[in-house]
Amino acid sequence: DGGITQSPKYLFRKEGQNVTLSCEQNLNHDAMYWYRQDPGQGLRLIYYSQIVNDFQKGDIAEGYSVSREKKESFPLTVTSAQKNPTAFYLCASTPGQFFYGYTFGSGTRLTVV
Amino acid sequence: AQTVTQSQPEMSVQEAETVTLSCTYDTSENNYYLFWYKQPPSRQMILVIRQEAYKQQNATENRFSVNFQKAAKSFSLKISDSQLGDTAMYFCAFMKHVSGNQFYFGTGTSLTVIP
Repeated sequence: DGGITQSPKYLFRKEGQNVTLSCEQNLNHDAMYWYRQDPGQGLRLIYYSQIVNDFQKGDIAEGYSVSREKKESFPLTVTSAQKNPTAFYLCASTPGQFFYGYTFGSGTRLTVV
Repeated sequence: AQTVTQSQPEMSVQEAETVTLSCTYDTSENNYYLFWYKQPPSRQMILVIRQEAYKQQNATENRFSVNFQKAAKSFSLKISDSQLGDTAMYFCAFMKHVSGNQFYFGTGTSLTVIP
């Protein structure tokens, strides 16, 4: 079945460390997105990519980095520069036709210890 | 910039009753799409219903329907015959009909269905 796979489901990071969250899709979708979810704040866009080897900053890109070397993959690195990284991270994709909206992964819960 | 407002942080409804969740948005665009997503305790985001702004007819999906008022920039979700499985966080989302197709989300409404 087609879908989006995020891994790991839970991730623990020590302060000062970089960590990478994986997002893989087999839907042949062109565009991929990373959102951060915090209680009471909804979902906020971190980065998005519409084509391979191209990506744009979202509203809260500081302290994060991404790459899009393959159409299927859009990993997110949370760097040590991100001051408050503990959150739930959601990856999403869309085929590019506006009406269909997003397909979401199941998310990664990142906790700084 | 686009903004989406959900003014009801929490709501509850008795099983089998009807509940309406509110959503308003602010945009200068004329062509866009609106969505309601459900996030149950599993935290998987599930598409509930979608509406194209150029369509006057309100979208309906089984027990879920919307009241889309374009002039008022309002997009409420009505859940009929509420079921225990409807207990979830509900997010309203807006997408422009231009390149980038980025979603703008509201802050969500936590709905509890009471048996």
